[in-house]
This record gives sequence, C-alpha cells and structure tokens, in this order.
Amino acid sequence: AQSVTQLGSHVSVSEGALVLLRCNYSSSVPPYLFWYVQYPNQGLQLLLKYTSAATLVKGINGFEAEFKKSETSFHLTKPSAHMSDAAEYFCAVSSYQGGKLIFGQGTELSVKP
Amino acid sequence: DTGVSQDPRHKITKRGQNVTFRCDPISEHNRLYWYRQTLGQGPEFLTYFQNEAQLEKSRLLSDRFSAERPKGSFSTLEIQRTEQGDSAMYLCASSLGGPSYEQYFGPGTRLTVT
Repeated sequence: AQSVTQLGSHVSVSEGALVLLRCNYSSSVPPYLFWYVQYPNQGLQLLLKYTSAATLVKGINGFEAEFKKSETSFHLTKPSAHMSDAAEYFCAVSSYQGGKLIFGQGTELSVKP
Repeated sequence: DTGVSQDPRHKITKRGQNVTFRCDPISEHNRLYWYRQTLGQGPEFLTYFQNEAQLEKSRLLSDRFSAERPKGSFSTLEIQRTEQGDSAMYLCASSLGGPSYEQYFGPGTRLTVT
C-alpha cells in the first residue's frame, strides 16, 4: 500500500529564512508525488509534482522539491520565506489504482516578521 | 477555464436531515474525485468517476453516502440521515487523466451537522 508521512505538523520560520517541509513516502512502485498548499477555508492548490522525469522539480511561488529514491523522500524547500507563504502544506502520492491522492497529515507553516 | 466550482460553500443542517452537494469540474476533465477533510487532517479519498462511471468507492463511504455523475459532467454527493461525525469539508477535484495528472480542487463545501 502507498502512504505518505509528513514530519512536523507545524513549522515556524522567520521571513527571509529557508523553508524546509519534510515528506517521506512508501510505495512498491515508482511513485507520482505532489505538493499542495491550502489557505484557510479554501481548496488545495498544486505547488509542484514529480512524475519520474527530473528529480529536482520546480514549482510555483519559488518552491522546489527533490525526489530521493534512496531516502524515499520528497522534501519541499524555498530559499527565502515570505509572509504570504503562511498556509497548510500537503504532500500526496497518487495511487496507481485510479489515481486517487493519498495525503499526508499536513504541515502548517508560520512565517514570523 | 473557470476552475472547479462547488455549491454550496457552507451548509448547516440538523442531525438526521439529508444534504446534497454539487461539483462542476473543469469542462474537458474526464475524471472527478470527492474527498473529505476534517480539521487538522489531510483530505481522505471518498470516490471517483471516469466520465459517468463510478470506478472506486472508499470504505469511508457508508451506505448513507451516494454520488452520481449522470452525464459525465457535474457530480452530486448526497448524505442521507446526517450524523455529527459527517461534519467536515467536502472537496471535489477533477483531472484530465490517471495517476500522473494533477488534480484541480474546488473551494470545498463545509458541512456542519448540529
């Protein structure tokens, strides 16, 4: 079975600091991985996706993630946090059976001025 | 491309009542997914359609839940005899295809059962 674990339910950084949100996956087949962001009372917006092309994936708003098979990880990073980055972030793996998304528990990112 | 829309955005109902939610996907998307999200949790899969065919239902989807996509366009999710445990955000998403395609999410319908 496929699963996703996000380490740290809450991360707090200062504005301008590095953002690192951790995601580890479990999959018996090469995974398709996604990062989504959710602002309060809104739906989810895709940040980036990995579909077995380049291992370093660039997304919107300056975010990027690196697929590391040996570590079964897909951590999300951004060099310099902005106040507008404060939101809930979800890592997800796409099931080969039908394409449903299996989400992690989410990480709430706070950005301090 | 107007995005995925959901109606209503908020619904408050009394326990035991029936409720129905609607989702309008992006027009050219043949796949439509329903998820449920409770506070502090990631979304959980409920069911999905390819065109008008419902191809998978989660064990989370009890007999009180039913979903349809009659013409392969919009979809409805009905909950009969609502319970307080049904209070959650119900999210709809659509995509062009299978596992490698990104899903585009609607704003969700927040259900509160009193």
